Amino acid sequence: GAVVSQHPSRVICKSGTSVKIECRSLDFQATTMFWYRQFPKQSLMLMATSNEGSKATYEQGVEKDKFLINHASLTLSTLTVTSAHPEDSSFYICSTGGGGASEQFFGPGTRLTVL
Amino acid sequence: GENVEQHPSTLSVQEGDSAVIKCTYSDSASNYFPWYKQELGKRPQLIIDIRSNVGEKKDQRIAVTLNKTAKHFSLHITETQPEDSAVYFCAASSGYSTLTFGKGTMLLVSP
Repeated sequence: GAVVSQHPSRVICKSGTSVKIECRSLDFQATTMFWYRQFPKQSLMLMATSNEGSKATYEQGVEKDKFLINHASLTLSTLTVTSAHPEDSSFYICSTGGGGASEQFFGPGTRLTVL
Repeated sequence: GENVEQHPSTLSVQEGDSAVIKCTYSDSASNYFPWYKQELGKRPQLIIDIRSNVGEKKDQRIAVTLNKTAKHFSLHITETQPEDSAVYFCAASSGYSTLTFGKGTMLLVSP
């Protein structure tokens, strides 16, 4: 299956700052990537679908101006959490997969802590 | 949109026993049903999946059954081992790789 990496694995930042998380598909040309958020002891919640060369599609309730997504190439999607607040502290995971109903390959996740 | 319900939220079994986790889905167009295992702080790992044209699939100690009419699918783990302890998520997809996850089941296998 596809190999997906994320960077950084952990980040601690001060409230009000912005944090960029990178998601790379190492061996798979990913026209679509997905960003999830997972709070402690909860399920994965889809935040947005990142489309290469076009605007991301955000799920209901996710602020597109706060969670900026850029998918400039077939191997890289970035999620920037702008003006982070403590309630944004979470585990952010990206994934990619093939077309249709097919397996998703997840990145290792990024643990964000906002002080 | 799709809604996936998963039960139970926690499941404790003795080593060697079987474990069953059940999920229901709402969208009759869903045609792909994966199960993921997630250990603490790690990424979800696919353990088995089933498509709507199949009623059952087995891989060693793990099996999944699907009832399209009732819109439910189940994960069966036999001969459980302590290393099976993790959180398990079911999911359903009705479109282009968009997965809707259940809330998860924390499985604890005691030696």
